[in-house]
Amino acid sequence: NAGVMQNPRHLVRRRGQEARLRCSPMKGHSHVYWYRQLPEEGLKFMVYLQKENIIDESGMPKERFSAEFPKEGPSILRIQQVVRGDSAAYFCASSPKGGSSYEQYFGPGTRLTVT
Amino acid sequence: AQSVTQPDIHITVSEGASLELRCNYSYGATPYLFWYVQSPGQGLQLLLKYFSGDTLVQGIKGFEAEFKRSQSSFNLRKPSVHWSDAAEYFCAVGPTGNQFYFGTGTSLTVIP
Repeated sequence: NAGVMQNPRHLVRRRGQEARLRCSPMKGHSHVYWYRQLPEEGLKFMVYLQKENIIDESGMPKERFSAEFPKEGPSILRIQQVVRGDSAAYFCASSPKGGSSYEQYFGPGTRLTVT
Repeated sequence: AQSVTQPDIHITVSEGASLELRCNYSYGATPYLFWYVQSPGQGLQLLLKYFSGDTLVQGIKGFEAEFKRSQSSFNLRKPSVHWSDAAEYFCAVGPTGNQFYFGTGTSLTVIP
């Protein structure tokens, strides 16, 4: 059973460009979480999604950031008009269900560098 | 407010020595507590978790952690460290709603 997959692993964007980060959850998992890890900091919650639904986006910046988890295909974290402060590692985690499960399986992350 | 503190940014131990990584949390209710390990360039792997019951929790790779409510702590221990244990270790608490809170991590170096 393949683990959580993220691509690309490394992404370089110039200021003002768009970044698209993809996350394929483990087979059978319908819940996806996105986290951001800034240098020298822990992971910060961004958004929690189920298939076709955003459940909690309270950790997402109000502008330029959006996320989706369509019925088919991977979850996408989209950052428009990137700025240098967006440089970070972005991790996706999946779980088989929400509620009392709380066991999250993490992908290897996408390291975004904004030049 | 919920938060996790890992006081030690970096720890160095000799191979075969014992290890204790500290984690203190602030949480309004009975917490769910987790320890994760992150190897360079990899995602986080769950070492162990505490939900309820026995306060001494056994995990993978020979790790254990003890929940001490009175001290708001969940320290990770291993009796004998192996060179392959060198990695970054994160403590996490939650959830509040759907959010989990992570500490800033402790980087472990193992000296041969």
